[in-house]
Amino acid sequence: NAGVTQTPKFQVLKTGQSMTLQCAQDMNHNSMYWYRQDPGMGLRLIYYSASEGTTDKGEVPNGYNVSRLNKREFSLRLESAAPSQTSVYFCASSPEFGGYTFGSGTRLTVV
Amino acid sequence: QQQVKQSPQSLIVQKGGIPIINCAYENTAFDYFPWYQQFPGKGPALLIAIRPDVSEKKEGRFTISFNKSAKQFSLHIMDSQPGDSATYFCAARGFNAGNNRKLIWGLGTSLAVNP
Repeated sequence: NAGVTQTPKFQVLKTGQSMTLQCAQDMNHNSMYWYRQDPGMGLRLIYYSASEGTTDKGEVPNGYNVSRLNKREFSLRLESAAPSQTSVYFCASSPEFGGYTFGSGTRLTVV
Repeated sequence: QQQVKQSPQSLIVQKGGIPIINCAYENTAFDYFPWYQQFPGKGPALLIAIRPDVSEKKEGRFTISFNKSAKQFSLHIMDSQPGDSATYFCAARGFNAGNNRKLIWGLGTSLAVNP
């Protein structure tokens, strides 16, 4: 099925460990986004990529890095995980003038 | 600074009722106003969207009402069902030149429809 695929779906990390969250879309969208969702705080933008080859910081970029590998793939890296990064992470993509399509999320726990 | 304010934070209605969720925005440059529906354990999904040149849009039991002068828009769910129980997010996006057309999100409304 067409859409946004995120891996892994669940992950438990120890404080200080690193990991990369993967995201791929097959809708030929130019823009891609990484959000985190915490109770009562809505969707907060971490990083986004308006087009292949560009990335920009969102509201809460500290502790994260991203790579827009090609038009399809946009990865999010935690270099040294902290308990404050325990969250649900969503990747999304969009055409220039349309709505977002979200992946099913990655539930990350940092202990 | 929150540019899209959504209310209420939570809402409980009986089956068949008409829940209404409201959003207010500040930036007059916004030109696209979508609503997203999120079920537990899933990502948000686009439900319905409106542009400011119309005052109302209906898709099935879901209706967006838009008041440009008041800078407000709302979601109405007709004949609500228990299966409509979810979190609803409003959002807005501007027509700024270039690639900076990110959605600005409300904080969400948790809706419960009792049988």
